[in-house]
Amino acid sequence: GAVVSQHPSWVICKSGTSVKIECRSLDFQATTMFWYRQFPKQSLMLMATSNEGSKATYEQGVEKDKFLINHASLTLSTLTVTSAHPEDSSFYICSVPIRDQSYYFGPGTRLTVL
Amino acid sequence: AQSVAQPEDQVNVAEGNPLTVKCTYSVSGNPYLFWYVQYPNRGLQFLLKYITGDNLVKGSYGFEAEFNKSQTSFHLKKPSALVSDSALYFCAVRDGGSSASKIIFGSGTRLSIRP
Repeated sequence: GAVVSQHPSWVICKSGTSVKIECRSLDFQATTMFWYRQFPKQSLMLMATSNEGSKATYEQGVEKDKFLINHASLTLSTLTVTSAHPEDSSFYICSVPIRDQSYYFGPGTRLTVL
Repeated sequence: AQSVAQPEDQVNVAEGNPLTVKCTYSVSGNPYLFWYVQYPNRGLQFLLKYITGDNLVKGSYGFEAEFNKSQTSFHLKKPSALVSDSALYFCAVRDGGSSASKIIFGSGTRLSIRP
């Protein structure tokens, strides 16, 4: 069964609104989670590292005020896309590292901004 | 910084033939390498990883990968392709020495298996 879940799986919103995406680690605690975005037919680009109990670490070029990350607990990280615009439309995927040097990925959230 | 390169955007193979999806890496220190597969509108599924040990790594769905230090390559292989193997394949490398380090993906290779 799935070990990482994301909610919602897809969302359509109007331009200017904010959208929250949840990533949950189902079977284990995660002090670190990663957020990626993927444009159609492209690779996954790391956006930020979500750290439980501290601020997220953003990759170069990612606006931290635009993409708010909150690692609320050891099993939940949220990504909020604030004042969304059509160019924010993308597939957002979270990832959780686990002890055996592997990484589990969530099923992804497709965001469409009209 | 660590990086991986996938030189082929697309690989086409006939069903039943062997397949190879290429990946080269650039790392400082010991490489931690991965292969993932993605089906349309889905998340990533883990295929295999190389941390240390045998250069030939066996993974899920009959896939294997060969770690070649001299050629800095980690090519994904399967002896006999299935139509259901058609998907997007990503090579990835861990960027950092911690198990909580981020992983960086290659550009992806679309594998198409024709019946």
